[in-house]
Amino acid sequence: GAVVSQHPSWVICKSGTSVKIECRSLDFQATTMFWYRQFPKQSLMLMATSNEGSKATYEQGVEKDKFLINHASLTLSTLTVTSAHPEDSSFYICSANDPGKNTGELFFGEGSRLTVL
Amino acid sequence: GQQLNQSPQSMFIQEGEDVSMNCTSSSIFNTWLWYKQDPGEGPVLLIALYKAGELTSNGRLTAQFGITRKDSFLNISASIPSDVGIYFCAGRRNTGTASKLTFGTGTRLQVTL
Repeated sequence: GAVVSQHPSWVICKSGTSVKIECRSLDFQATTMFWYRQFPKQSLMLMATSNEGSKATYEQGVEKDKFLINHASLTLSTLTVTSAHPEDSSFYICSANDPGKNTGELFFGEGSRLTVL
Repeated sequence: GQQLNQSPQSMFIQEGEDVSMNCTSSSIFNTWLWYKQDPGEGPVLLIALYKAGELTSNGRLTAQFGITRKDSFLNISASIPSDVGIYFCAGRRNTGTASKLTFGTGTRLQVTL
């Protein structure tokens, strides 16, 4: 089946630094990828839709200048948390459809746990 | 952002029991998906539903797309310890694969021996 992979799986950083998370589609090309955030014991909340070759679309309340998204190729989208603060600590998960299957099924990466000290 | 209402919020059952959970919305969805999430991992797709009234099985799991398009149900038969986890429903309003998914609030399942 389709595989989506994220890196790193966990990261700890100091407050004020920036952190980049990568999301790759391993066996298909994804023109669109989705970035979600999940706080402990809560559901997944969509942050933004990453579009290959164009600007990302951000959900209401998500700061585009803080969460920079780059979808430079059909297999890679990156999320950069800029000037991270403790309240940004969360589980970040990316996902993508396999357009070759056209089933609408969304496959998720393993997730990246960010802890900001 | 909007979330779908899932119930129950959590369940504690004994191994071998059947489990039922549901997901409801105030608006219509054209696709319903059910996911399972283990601690520290991303969600894994269990079942996808595309037509109102559709009933689909995947092993011991059975899910149904409600006739009103505003709800969906997931049943797990003869639960086993590895069923432990959080189950999420997710709905998509538009038929395009690039359209967004809205997630349910989750049902946390605990299975005791």
